[in-house]
Amino acid sequence: SAVISQKPSRDICQRGTSLTIQCQVDSQVTMMFWYRQQPGQSLTLIATANQGSEATYESGFVIDKFPISRPNLTFSTLTVSNMSPEDSSIYLCSVSQGSYGYTFGSGTRLTVV
Amino acid sequence: SQQGEEDPQALSIQEGENATMNCSYKTSINNLQWYRQNSGRGLVHLILIRSNEREKHSGRLRVTLDTSKKSSSLLITASRAADTASYFCATDIRAGANNLFFGTGTRLTVIP
Repeated sequence: SAVISQKPSRDICQRGTSLTIQCQVDSQVTMMFWYRQQPGQSLTLIATANQGSEATYESGFVIDKFPISRPNLTFSTLTVSNMSPEDSSIYLCSVSQGSYGYTFGSGTRLTVV
Repeated sequence: SQQGEEDPQALSIQEGENATMNCSYKTSINNLQWYRQNSGRGLVHLILIRSNEREKHSGRLRVTLDTSKKSSSLLITASRAADTASYFCATDIRAGANNLFFGTGTRLTVIP
């Protein structure tokens, strides 16, 4: 199965600033997915990132707040912009492994102060 | 909105006992998957059961699916302290859509 390297693993940021999270996959994948997990909550899909086209965002998430890049088939970034304490969450990327489910990155624990 | 709900929200058992977690969902599914998460880190895929399957086993894990009741259960037999984690069900509602909806999760604590 694919292996995903996600960076950073955690960060503490000042409100109003932006943080870019990176995910590197060890194989080529068509789609990469970005999730948010708020404290004590389940995972919510933010957007689907396709190579060569704009990301598809889920209801409640907008490109200005969560811009995504997908420059090639093994890499993607998610930026959390103009952060507020409400953005404090774990952010995870994932890729589909077909009948073997999804593989997830190790997550980025973001705290906004 | 979240696709699934799990119960119990938290479960505490002694090592060696069996743990059962239940998941209910709202719409038709292509498959249902179970994941484990240790201490707020990345999720690990445990098992996938398709909508036309009723039961699946993997090691100490047994998953059942009842599409008429829109429910699934995860049984962990002979639990170990290392099984302590949060467990999530996730539904894949359309083949090829690659859009997982996660349940609320069950926090399992196995006491040595």
